[in-house]
Amino acid sequence: DAGITQSPRHKVTETGTPVTLRCHQTENHRYMYWYRQDPGHGLRLIHYSYGVKDTDKGEVSDGYSVSRSKTEDFLLTLESATSSQTSVYFCAIRSSVRVGIYGYTFGSGTRLTVV
Amino acid sequence: KNEVEQSPQNLTAQEGEFITINCSYSVGISALHWLQQHPGGGIVSLFMLSSGKKKHGRLIATINIQEKHSSLHITASHPRDSAVYICAVRSNSGGGADGLTFGKGTHLIIQP
Repeated sequence: DAGITQSPRHKVTETGTPVTLRCHQTENHRYMYWYRQDPGHGLRLIHYSYGVKDTDKGEVSDGYSVSRSKTEDFLLTLESATSSQTSVYFCAIRSSVRVGIYGYTFGSGTRLTVV
Repeated sequence: KNEVEQSPQNLTAQEGEFITINCSYSVGISALHWLQQHPGGGIVSLFMLSSGKKKHGRLIATINIQEKHSSLHITASHPRDSAVYICAVRSNSGGGADGLTFGKGTHLIIQP
């Protein structure tokens, strides 16, 4: 397995507070992703990164920001947490299998509850 | 917009039964992934398909590119197969996130 860890695994926070989730990889992959998983929805892309300091928005990026100052770390920040951001957050990395074909490895998830 | 539809949404079966989960998608793809998620657990990749069929143990995945359809089969199902099975595709339109579009998952319960 590609080394990918998320922290924390669980967090409860109050509405209006900032929260940062961390995704750490050990294999120097260029592409990293943050998804959220909610009942009744498939995983939805929040933000992704294609290199150090190179990030872009996904389909549900409002209320979230990201940073990637090192290849191995991709941080997701909720600037002011709201109850609608209660979710399970997954980080993923993309690895090349062959030209144009990619594999994806997911972290174990962070369960965030905003009260 | 790429849509990924899975059926059934929920499936309960008895141990030993043959299980089929279906996935259909709406755009051209470069690859389709089948993922497994146990309750409260992380997401594990089972298969990546761009054509044909793959087999791993009791799991078989097939894809028909022309019909934009894939199936995941489980033979001799066991309670430990109880999990959510997720279909995800990567569009071949290129550009953008190059990420995946996910189905909503099929919640499978295998009863002893």
